[in-house]
Amino acid sequence: QSALTQPASVSGSPGQSITFSCTGTSSDIGAYNYVSWFQQHPGKAPKLLIYDVNNRPSPISNRFSGSKSGNTASLTISGLQAEDEADYYCSSYTTSRTVIFGGGTKLTVL
Amino acid sequence: DVQLAESGGGLVQPGGSLKLSCAASGFTFSGSNMNWVRQAPGKGLEWVGRITGTYATEYAVSMKGRVTISRDDSRSMAYLELNSLKTEDTALYYCTTDILPRPWGQGTLVTVSS
Repeated sequence: QSALTQPASVSGSPGQSITFSCTGTSSDIGAYNYVSWFQQHPGKAPKLLIYDVNNRPSPISNRFSGSKSGNTASLTISGLQAEDEADYYCSSYTTSRTVIFGGGTKLTVL
Repeated sequence: DVQLAESGGGLVQPGGSLKLSCAASGFTFSGSNMNWVRQAPGKGLEWVGRITGTYATEYAVSMKGRVTISRDDSRSMAYLELNSLKTEDTALYYCTTDILPRPWGQGTLVTVSS
Protein backbone atom coordinates (compact mmCIF):
# COMPACT_ATOMS: atom_id res chain seq x y z
CA GLN A 1 0.00 0.00 0.00
CA SER A 2 1.45 3.38 -1.00
CA ALA A 3 2.09 6.08 1.55
CA LEU A 4 -0.33 8.94 1.97
CA THR A 5 0.63 11.91 -0.17
CA GLN A 6 1.96 15.02 1.52
CA PRO A 7 3.76 17.98 -0.06
CA ALA A 8 7.47 17.81 0.64
CA SER A 9 7.67 21.33 2.01
CA VAL A 10 5.66 24.39 2.88
CA SER A 11 6.66 27.76 4.26
CA GLY A 12 5.00 30.66 5.97
CA SER A 13 5.67 33.82 7.94
CA PRO A 14 5.07 34.31 11.65
CA GLY A 15 1.45 35.08 12.41
CA GLN A 16 0.14 33.51 9.22
CA SER A 17 -2.11 30.49 8.97
CA ILE A 18 -0.87 27.53 7.02
CA THR A 19 -2.57 24.33 5.90
CA PHE A 20 -1.00 20.95 5.22
CA SER A 21 -2.71 18.44 2.99
CA CYS A 22 -2.65 14.66 3.22
CA THR A 23 -4.21 12.71 0.37
CA GLY A 24 -5.14 9.07 0.54
CA THR A 25 -7.78 6.80 -0.92
CA SER A 26 -11.18 5.36 -0.13
CA SER A 27 -9.34 2.51 1.61
CA ASP A 28 -7.75 4.71 4.24
CA ILE A 29 -8.60 8.37 4.81
CA GLY A 30 -11.90 8.08 3.01
CA ALA A 31 -12.93 4.96 4.91
CA TYR A 32 -12.63 6.03 8.53
CA ASN A 33 -12.30 9.07 10.76
CA TYR A 34 -9.00 7.77 12.07
CA VAL A 35 -6.57 10.38 10.79
CA SER A 36 -3.77 11.58 13.04
CA TRP A 37 -1.18 14.31 12.68
CA PHE A 38 2.27 14.36 14.25
CA GLN A 39 4.94 17.02 14.69
CA GLN A 40 8.61 16.09 14.77
CA HIS A 41 11.43 18.47 15.54
CA PRO A 42 14.95 17.49 14.41
CA GLY A 43 16.44 14.81 16.62
CA LYS A 44 13.25 14.45 18.64
CA ALA A 45 10.50 11.86 18.81
CA PRO A 46 7.23 12.63 17.03
CA LYS A 47 4.44 14.23 19.04
CA LEU A 48 0.72 13.70 18.47
CA LEU A 49 -1.07 16.91 17.51
CA ILE A 50 -4.43 15.68 16.23
CA TYR A 51 -6.25 12.35 16.44
CA ASP A 52 -9.48 11.08 14.91
CA VAL A 53 -9.40 13.85 12.27
CA ASN A 54 -10.07 16.86 14.49
CA ASN A 55 -9.38 16.07 18.15
CA ARG A 56 -6.52 17.60 20.11
CA PRO A 57 -4.95 15.78 23.04
CA SER A 58 -4.23 17.84 26.08
CA PRO A 59 -2.15 20.08 26.15
CA ILE A 60 -1.84 20.68 22.42
CA SER A 61 -2.52 24.32 21.53
CA ASN A 62 -5.79 25.24 19.85
CA ARG A 63 -3.68 26.84 17.12
CA PHE A 64 -3.63 23.34 15.63
CA SER A 65 -6.78 22.04 13.99
CA GLY A 66 -7.65 19.16 11.68
CA SER A 67 -10.31 18.38 9.13
CA LYS A 68 -11.17 15.92 6.40
CA SER A 69 -13.01 15.97 3.11
CA GLY A 70 -13.36 12.78 1.15
CA ASN A 71 -9.95 11.17 0.77
CA THR A 72 -7.99 14.25 1.87
CA ALA A 73 -7.19 15.34 5.39
CA SER A 74 -5.83 18.72 6.39
CA LEU A 75 -3.92 20.22 9.30
CA THR A 76 -4.08 23.96 9.87
CA ILE A 77 -1.73 25.93 12.06
CA SER A 78 -2.94 29.41 12.90
CA GLY A 79 -0.75 32.20 14.24
CA LEU A 80 2.42 30.55 12.95
CA GLN A 81 5.35 30.71 15.37
CA ALA A 82 9.05 30.07 14.91
CA GLU A 83 8.82 27.01 17.17
CA ASP A 84 6.38 25.43 14.72
CA GLU A 85 9.23 24.82 12.28
CA ALA A 86 9.36 21.03 12.10
CA ASP A 87 8.32 18.01 10.05
CA TYR A 88 4.64 17.09 10.02
CA TYR A 89 3.27 13.63 9.32
CA CYS A 90 -0.26 12.38 8.78
CA SER A 91 -1.42 8.82 9.34
CA SER A 92 -4.60 6.86 8.77
CA TYR A 93 -6.07 3.53 9.70
CA THR A 94 -6.86 1.41 6.63
CA THR A 95 -9.44 -1.15 5.56
CA SER A 96 -6.65 -3.75 5.77
CA ARG A 97 -6.48 -3.11 9.52
CA THR A 98 -3.06 -1.51 9.11
CA VAL A 99 -1.82 2.04 9.58
CA ILE A 100 -0.27 4.12 6.85
CA PHE A 101 1.79 7.30 7.15
CA GLY A 102 2.38 10.15 4.78
CA GLY A 103 5.86 10.97 3.60
CA GLY A 104 5.98 14.09 5.76
CA THR A 105 6.00 17.83 5.11
CA LYS A 106 8.82 20.09 6.20
CA LEU A 107 7.56 23.41 7.51
CA THR A 108 9.85 26.41 7.24
CA VAL A 109 8.95 29.55 9.17
CA LEU A 110 10.38 32.47 7.24
CA ASP B 1 2.02 10.43 33.05
CA VAL B 2 1.80 7.99 30.17
CA GLN B 3 5.37 6.97 29.34
CA LEU B 4 7.02 4.53 26.97
CA ALA B 5 10.66 3.47 26.91
CA GLU B 6 12.16 1.36 24.16
CA SER B 7 15.30 -0.74 24.53
CA GLY B 8 17.17 -3.61 22.95
CA GLY B 9 18.51 -1.99 19.81
CA GLY B 10 22.05 -2.41 18.61
CA LEU B 11 24.32 -3.49 15.79
CA VAL B 12 23.38 -6.75 14.08
CA GLN B 13 24.65 -8.44 10.96
CA PRO B 14 22.45 -8.96 7.90
CA GLY B 15 20.35 -12.08 8.38
CA GLY B 16 20.44 -11.71 12.13
CA SER B 17 17.69 -11.26 14.69
CA LEU B 18 16.91 -8.84 17.47
CA LYS B 19 14.18 -8.48 20.06
CA LEU B 20 13.17 -4.98 21.10
CA SER B 21 11.35 -4.14 24.30
CA CYS B 22 8.92 -1.40 25.22
CA ALA B 23 8.30 -0.61 28.87
CA ALA B 24 5.00 1.18 29.51
CA SER B 25 4.01 3.13 32.60
CA GLY B 26 1.41 5.63 33.77
CA PHE B 27 -1.63 3.87 32.33
CA THR B 28 -3.53 0.60 32.44
CA PHE B 29 -1.46 -1.44 30.00
CA SER B 30 -3.78 -4.43 29.86
CA GLY B 31 -6.39 -3.84 27.18
CA SER B 32 -4.45 -1.09 25.41
CA ASN B 33 -3.32 -1.27 21.80
CA MET B 34 0.43 -1.02 21.20
CA ASN B 35 2.06 -0.15 17.89
CA TRP B 36 5.61 -0.23 16.58
CA VAL B 37 6.76 2.45 14.15
CA ARG B 38 10.20 2.89 12.64
CA GLN B 39 12.13 5.71 11.06
CA ALA B 40 15.16 5.12 8.87
CA PRO B 41 17.88 7.78 9.10
CA GLY B 42 16.71 10.93 7.38
CA LYS B 43 13.46 9.29 6.27
CA GLY B 44 9.81 9.37 7.25
CA LEU B 45 7.74 7.28 9.62
CA GLU B 46 6.77 3.71 8.75
CA TRP B 47 4.25 1.64 10.66
CA VAL B 48 5.58 -1.81 11.51
CA GLY B 49 2.68 -3.45 13.27
CA ARG B 50 0.29 -3.56 16.21
CA ILE B 51 -0.86 -5.81 19.01
CA THR B 52 -4.29 -5.14 20.41
CA GLY B 53 -5.46 -5.47 23.97
CA THR B 54 -6.90 -8.86 23.05
CA TYR B 55 -3.53 -9.99 21.66
CA ALA B 56 -4.54 -9.77 17.99
CA THR B 57 -1.66 -8.73 15.75
CA GLU B 58 -1.43 -6.94 12.42
CA TYR B 59 1.73 -6.26 10.45
CA ALA B 60 2.77 -4.03 7.59
CA VAL B 61 2.90 -5.98 4.36
CA SER B 62 6.55 -5.04 3.94
CA MET B 63 7.41 -6.60 7.29
CA LYS B 64 5.06 -9.59 7.41
CA GLY B 65 6.86 -12.86 7.95
CA ARG B 66 9.93 -11.22 9.45
CA VAL B 67 8.48 -9.61 12.55
CA THR B 68 6.53 -10.75 15.57
CA ILE B 69 4.89 -8.47 18.11
CA SER B 70 4.04 -9.78 21.54
CA ARG B 71 3.16 -8.42 24.97
CA ASP B 72 3.33 -9.28 28.65
CA ASP B 73 0.53 -7.52 30.47
CA SER B 74 1.85 -8.64 33.86
CA ARG B 75 5.02 -6.63 33.22
CA SER B 76 3.45 -3.81 31.11
CA MET B 77 5.82 -4.71 28.30
CA ALA B 78 5.50 -4.96 24.53
CA TYR B 79 8.04 -6.63 22.29
CA LEU B 80 9.09 -6.54 18.64
CA GLU B 81 11.07 -9.46 17.32
CA LEU B 82 12.92 -8.77 14.09
CA ASN B 83 14.25 -11.64 11.98
CA SER B 84 16.17 -12.03 8.73
CA LEU B 85 17.32 -8.45 9.12
CA LYS B 86 18.40 -6.48 6.07
CA THR B 87 20.48 -3.34 5.83
CA GLU B 88 17.32 -1.44 4.94
CA ASP B 89 15.87 -2.33 8.34
CA THR B 90 18.35 0.10 9.90
CA ALA B 91 16.15 2.57 11.73
CA LEU B 92 15.03 4.07 15.01
CA TYR B 93 12.22 1.88 16.31
CA TYR B 94 9.46 3.44 18.41
CA CYS B 95 6.59 1.90 20.32
CA THR B 96 3.37 3.88 20.67
CA THR B 97 0.06 3.42 22.42
CA ASP B 98 -3.53 4.42 21.71
CA ILE B 99 -3.82 5.80 25.25
CA LEU B 100 -4.01 9.59 25.15
CA PRO B 101 -2.01 11.73 24.85
CA ARG B 102 -0.24 8.97 22.91
CA PRO B 103 3.30 10.00 23.76
CA TRP B 104 6.25 8.47 21.96
CA GLY B 105 9.39 7.20 23.63
CA GLN B 106 12.84 8.15 22.42
CA GLY B 107 13.13 5.01 20.31
CA THR B 108 15.83 2.38 20.10
CA LEU B 109 18.28 2.29 17.22
CA VAL B 110 18.74 -0.84 15.17
CA THR B 111 21.74 -0.87 12.84
CA VAL B 112 22.04 -3.71 10.37
CA SER B 113 25.52 -3.87 8.94
CA SER B 114 28.33 -6.31 8.33
